[in-house]
Amino acid sequence: EIVMTQSPATLSVSPGERATLSCRASQSVSSNLAWYQQKPGQAPRLLIYGASTRATGIPARFSGSGSGTEFTLTISSLQSEDFAVYYCQQYNNWPPLTFGQGTRLEIK
Amino acid sequence: QVQLVESGGGLVKPGGSLRLSCAASGFTFSDYYMSWIRQAPGKGLEWVSYISSSGSTIYYADSVKGRFTISRDNAKNSLYLQMNSLRAEDTAVYYCARAQDYGDPRNVVFDYWGQGTLVTVSS
Repeated sequence: EIVMTQSPATLSVSPGERATLSCRASQSVSSNLAWYQQKPGQAPRLLIYGASTRATGIPARFSGSGSGTEFTLTISSLQSEDFAVYYCQQYNNWPPLTFGQGTRLEIK
Repeated sequence: QVQLVESGGGLVKPGGSLRLSCAASGFTFSDYYMSWIRQAPGKGLEWVSYISSSGSTIYYADSVKGRFTISRDNAKNSLYLQMNSLRAEDTAVYYCARAQDYGDPRNVVFDYWGQGTLVTVSS
């Protein structure tokens, strides 16, 4: 099973600033990585797939990068609606499909 | 628009059973793989099960293998999860999610999710 590890667990950033979230895989997942955003009481929302391709309707301030075992989600200028929990998910070697434990992005 | 609506959650005693349903609309259900994903209270996401578009290929997480059964009825645009021998650690919100493959059938990316249904296993 591929273990996904996200860091940091909690990230405090001011609105308008840049946020950088990390996800590491226990073995290479190539570019088969997705990012999701989840707000309280809501279902997750797909942001990024293929490590760097934005899903339909996702603003350009969200970008993904990386391949192999190291990945990054960057939010270039934080808006109030971006404060949420973010999860990465690998789909390179499955079953099982595995998620990271999440990074909580909070207002500084 | 794509809609996934789960139902069937509730309170059940340890060892009991429950059947979750997910009603799909707004897309050709029979063209898509589907999955169940759960989230324990205050915790992260855990993939539970996957079923191919025809139902011929099925996978489970080790934590539910032998206890849970995924199925689908393409004529009714519905996905199901039969949960038996429930344990306290199965307590979670259960989401059904549509899997998008972006042209490669090995890809499983969840592009639409339902709102979830809460399953509580407690005596």
